[in-house]
Amino acid sequence: DAKTTQPTSMDCAEGRAANLPCNHSTISGNEYVYWYRQIHSQGPQYIIHGLKNNETNEMASLIITEDRKSSTLILPHATLRDTAVYYCIVRLSQGGSEKLVFGKGTKLTVNP
Amino acid sequence: SAVISQKPSRDICQRGTSLTIQCQVDSQVTMMFWYRQQPGQSLTLIATANQGSEATYESGFVIDKFPISRPNLTFSTLTVSNMSPEDSSIYLCSVAGQGVFKAFFGQGTRLTVV
Repeated sequence: DAKTTQPTSMDCAEGRAANLPCNHSTISGNEYVYWYRQIHSQGPQYIIHGLKNNETNEMASLIITEDRKSSTLILPHATLRDTAVYYCIVRLSQGGSEKLVFGKGTKLTVNP
Repeated sequence: SAVISQKPSRDICQRGTSLTIQCQVDSQVTMMFWYRQQPGQSLTLIATANQGSEATYESGFVIDKFPISRPNLTFSTLTVSNMSPEDSSIYLCSVAGQGVFKAFFGQGTRLTVV
């Protein structure tokens, strides 16, 4: 199962883009990269996922390198409400049971 | 999307007692999962709740300590048995539908054992 490595913490100024990196050098060809975030005292929230191509939705953009060994989550215009722990997860699939394994994540603090 | 309701939202329990946490989903879902989040830590998967069969537990978690029920496709319970202060955590229910794996989480149950 692919593991992920993320910085422990990052800071970003309000209104600026927040770029959160993730390394997943052992990812296999059919594994997706998922991003979730957990705002304090809430359950995790799905943000975005991708396989090979870059993805964008109303919340964020996901840039995956060509070799798929790393990715970057981009919050284009960070707000104070984006302060949260962001988890980069590589999808596990064992015996047909789909599950998510959370690492330590990156604590993003958006400053006014 | 799926709306998940967990009960209770928080509780303070005496050591040696048990607490059952309920997870209700507003739609039928294939997969239901239970996680534990200890103070200041990330989420750890306890088990996968399978409808019509026994739950599948992760390494370090056993059925005697964390019995799980999944009577239908919209409901599951997790019991924390014979509690000790080390069981003080947030317990979260998560669900996913078929197809591409996108999980939804409840707000969690904050358990304090004294």
